[in-house]
Amino acid sequence: NAGVTQTPKFRVLKTGQSMTLLCAQDMNHEYMYWYRQDPGMGLRLIHYSVGEGTTAKGEVPDGYNVSRLKKQNFLLGLESAAPSQTSVYFCASSSKTGPFYNEQFFGPGTRLTVL
Amino acid sequence: SQKIEQNSEALNIQEGKTATLTCNYTNYSPAYLQWYRQDPGRGPVFLLLIRENEKEKRKERLKVTFDTTLKQSLFHITASQPADSATYLCALYSGAGSYQLTFGKGTKLSVIP
Repeated sequence: NAGVTQTPKFRVLKTGQSMTLLCAQDMNHEYMYWYRQDPGMGLRLIHYSVGEGTTAKGEVPDGYNVSRLKKQNFLLGLESAAPSQTSVYFCASSSKTGPFYNEQFFGPGTRLTVL
Repeated sequence: SQKIEQNSEALNIQEGKTATLTCNYTNYSPAYLQWYRQDPGRGPVFLLLIRENEKEKRKERLKVTFDTTLKQSLFHITASQPADSATYLCALYSGAGSYQLTFGKGTKLSVIP
């Protein structure tokens, strides 16, 4: 199993450009999450999804949109990138059942720079 | 407001000693608390989960305690090794039925040979 994968690994954008980050998981998990990690701020939740076709806002949702059309994929979109969105983005997934209830499995991250 | 604090940003210890990391929280009533490890350039990896009715949990050289009265968890690594050098994060869910996991900012542990 590949676990959680993220595409791309690195990206540089200019202010105002748009892009989509792709997250895929092969563990049949119901829940998926997008976080950003900034120095001194820790991991902060952007959006999450508890199932196919459903999404919800986390702690820092402004400037981002998400979609979960398929259970295994969770997309994070930036419609008009701003320098404040320079960060490392992590996707995670978790199952709603199992011996480690709600243990989250993380992807390797996407390092995004907005100039 | 809800807050999670990890006692220090960085902790240096000698190889072979026991490392103790602290996680304090306010305005939470968590049913359980999680600890993760994060290496540079990688995503966090789950280590341990401890439930509110468990005082202590062990896994190999790791030990976690959970004191809901003090609102504190301690994370111990015994017989520490340079390979244990990483950032360790504690995490809590916002409340009953919540899907939002809130992380502390982490403690960077360096084990010196």
